[in-house]
Amino acid sequence: GQNIDQPTEMTATEGAIVQINCTYQTSGFNGLFWYQQHAGEAPTFLSYNVLDGLEEKGRFSSFLSRSKGYSYLLLKELQMKDSASYLCAVPPRGGGNKLTFGTGTQLKVEL
Amino acid sequence: DGGITQSPKYLFRKEGQNVTLSCEQNLNHDAMYWYRQDPGQGLRLIYYSQIVNDFQKGDIAEGYSVSREKKESFPLTVTSAQKNPTAFYLCASSPGHTNNQPQHFGDGTRLSIL
Repeated sequence: GQNIDQPTEMTATEGAIVQINCTYQTSGFNGLFWYQQHAGEAPTFLSYNVLDGLEEKGRFSSFLSRSKGYSYLLLKELQMKDSASYLCAVPPRGGGNKLTFGTGTQLKVEL
Repeated sequence: DGGITQSPKYLFRKEGQNVTLSCEQNLNHDAMYWYRQDPGQGLRLIYYSQIVNDFQKGDIAEGYSVSREKKESFPLTVTSAQKNPTAFYLCASSPGHTNNQPQHFGDGTRLSIL
């Protein structure tokens, strides 16, 4: 089976940097996705990591350590519009795209 | 524009009633998915389909049914057997069933009991 853990809530200040962690236990690793979901809206794709290391996309970066079963999403220069839920998700052991999602981390950006 | 369309946006169900949620995509994606999201929770998979005329149960299929008669359509029926149907329902699609292809989501249908 697969198990994903994320903090439930985080609060950060506009302009700051925040790191949202995700740990996973899976019998076979086939990559990890991050999605952003604003309240009442559809999740939108942020990143996909399958190799160790940091991948940067503008203000957002995603890191993966397969040996530690750990990923994080790094948000820089926080803006009010970044207030949202951030979901990490993993595909199944045998591959394919039937994702298992974590419960999400609700990020609140304050002035 | 290509995308996924879910309808209706809001839906109310009476006791003992079946209701059907629509999901249509014009992305030419092979795979489609239905998720349920409860307040403060992540997404839980109800059903998924990798190809036309084929679908599999997800983690919480009881009380739900689907069909996949056309590539672009994957309707979800919430039956009277689903005793706690109030939730936000999300439909998604992906090009195929390989690992690195992200799922694209519709805007969701919010279902409530009258």
